Amino acid sequence: QAVVTQEPSLTVSPGGTVTLTCGSSTGAVTSDHYPYWFQQKPGQAPRTLIYDTSKKYSRTPARFSGSLLGGKAALTLSGAQPEDEADYYCLLSYDDTRPWVFGGGTKLTVL
Amino acid sequence: QVQLVESGGGVVQPGRSLRLSCAASGFIFSSYVMHWVRQAPGKGLEWVSVISDDGGNKYYGDSVKGRFTVSRDNSKNILYLQMNGLRPEDTAIYYCVWGLGHWGQGTLVTVSS
Repeated sequence: QAVVTQEPSLTVSPGGTVTLTCGSSTGAVTSDHYPYWFQQKPGQAPRTLIYDTSKKYSRTPARFSGSLLGGKAALTLSGAQPEDEADYYCLLSYDDTRPWVFGGGTKLTVL
Repeated sequence: QVQLVESGGGVVQPGRSLRLSCAASGFIFSSYVMHWVRQAPGKGLEWVSVISDDGGNKYYGDSVKGRFTVSRDNSKNILYLQMNGLRPEDTAIYYCVWGLGHWGQGTLVTVSS
């Protein structure tokens, strides 16, 4: 089974910029993996930030953006706020027999 | 607005069965793919299953394949997850997710003797 990799933890200063990445053991991540990004705060259900690599929901703050970067999916946070401290998960789509695989998550600290 | 309300969780002994339900409202349920995602205590998210809008196509993660069955009743706007042969490692919060965009609050399943 494919393994999706994320940085276990990252730290960003308030107002700073940070990029989280999402790689695949099968090779480069492309738009055909339809990358998703989710945010989860303690005690809450996850919420979806980004779908199809870079598309945002109406409720996604403008400071979050998605892209492909160096063979990985990427989530960039520009102008970090204290409320952005959370766990972030990516999700990739594979073949029809095993469609979706989550990454292990990145714990983002705003400090 | 969109609402997804999971139910059916609880404490169950290993080897037993449980059926989860997810009541959906606020969107045209019969037009959308639905997913189940779970999260073990203190762990990350794990994709469990997906079902197509008409229920004709179903896929599962490796850890539940052959034990769990996803289904839906489009006349009642309800998504189901039948879980058989439960194991302690199935202990988790189970989330119902509309098209990977909207999440329910989850229902806790604990498998323990």
